[in-house]
Amino acid sequence: EAQVTQNPRYLITVTGKKLTVTCSQNMNHEYMSWYRQDPGLGLRQIYYSMNVEVTDKGDVPEGYKVSRKEKRNFPLILESPSPNQTSLYFCASSRDRGDYYEQYFGPGTRLTVT
Amino acid sequence: AQSVAQPEDQVNVAEGNPLTVKCTYSVSGNPYLFWYVQYPNRGLQFLLKYITGDNLVKGSYGFEAEFNKSQTSFHLKKPSALVSDSALYFCAVRDSNAGNNRKLIWGLGTSLAVNP
Repeated sequence: EAQVTQNPRYLITVTGKKLTVTCSQNMNHEYMSWYRQDPGLGLRQIYYSMNVEVTDKGDVPEGYKVSRKEKRNFPLILESPSPNQTSLYFCASSRDRGDYYEQYFGPGTRLTVT
Repeated sequence: AQSVAQPEDQVNVAEGNPLTVKCTYSVSGNPYLFWYVQYPNRGLQFLLKYITGDNLVKGSYGFEAEFNKSQTSFHLKKPSALVSDSALYFCAVRDSNAGNNRKLIWGLGTSLAVNP
């Protein structure tokens, strides 16, 4: 089954404790992206990747890091989480650069930073 | 600047009635338009897209959308709503003139409630 998986689905952590949210897709997609979803703000892109070893900032990259060492994986790293990073996070992938092709979304990771 | 507007935060419709969820956009070039749906506690799912060609686009679950260039709109429609259509709907656009910045611009979402 074609899918995007994210782990963990739920995470409660404390300020400053480094964490990683994993994302993996099994569709051999070139393009992957991370979004955060906040009430009243919709979806905002954090980082995206055109292909292996090619990443770039989205709209709200501050406080986040990503890597793309393998085509299927695109982890999101919070080096020192803060309460304003409490949010619902989605990973997505698509063929090519997403120009014409729809994006496939993971189930989401709900992060709470206290 | 590119933008997407979903003018209604919430739409209520009775089951069996037609539904419309509105979307307008602003881009400098040709638009690539998408609709996604988000069911509670789920990720977003693709519904349909307009890239070029016929202005009426048919998608998943009986949804369709009409591209109107003069009104810069891409409204989502369904002839007969189901209670199971209740969800959050997002419109997104990409500008063909966006150069290397190829990201999607997302609307804020419209919550659709279909009442039995």
